[in-house]
Amino acid sequence: GESVGLHLPTLSVQEGDNSIINCAYSNSASDYFIWYKQESGKGPQFIIDIRSNMDKRQGQRVTVLLNKTVKHLSLQIAATQPGDSAVYFCAEGDRSNAGNMLTFGGGTRLMVKP
Amino acid sequence: DAMVIQNPRYQVTQFGKPVTLSCSQTLNHNVMYWYQQKSSQAPKLLFHYYDKDFNNEADTPDNFQSRRPNTSFCFLDIRSPGLGDAAMYLCATSLGGYGQPQHFGDGTRLSIL
Repeated sequence: GESVGLHLPTLSVQEGDNSIINCAYSNSASDYFIWYKQESGKGPQFIIDIRSNMDKRQGQRVTVLLNKTVKHLSLQIAATQPGDSAVYFCAEGDRSNAGNMLTFGGGTRLMVKP
Repeated sequence: DAMVIQNPRYQVTQFGKPVTLSCSQTLNHNVMYWYQQKSSQAPKLLFHYYDKDFNNEADTPDNFQSRRPNTSFCFLDIRSPGLGDAAMYLCATSLGGYGQPQHFGDGTRLSIL
């Protein structure tokens, strides 16, 4: 079936550097994308979302980029901090889905070195 | 303030002994979801309620059932837990309609003895 996947299972960055987490999706009908952060022992926490009519959306220290041509999504974290260490999931949905169901990617673990 | 609350945080049950996990929300969202998440894996949707309408995923085992007595509460019943059902169970909520993010609770970790 359709799937959302990630290129890198683990990303290690130095504190203060910028982080980029990538995600590839295969469902061409997907038009809503969302990033979640999951810390150990906690549920996924909403970070930022983007609809397919946009290429870029910015939040506080985070930016999501969407390239529909190559079906690629990325999350950029500026000035990465130790508190950013977590597993990051991308997820996708589409407007035909009245229940707002999401398909999750496999996750990337971000490790921040002090 | 917690908006999606799952109880208990940790649950231990015996092989084959029915167990119920609970979820409550203060967001007044009309959609509630149950996910199963195993170690180092993405959450896997089991089923969801859109208002009172129950929607089961095709590959969710019959062993898993759900109840939603009102807008605020939703329960996950596992009728005869097997060792393979040990996992984190996550509840989430969202508004109905396109492009609404799901909001997750912190999960219940289920162990099977």
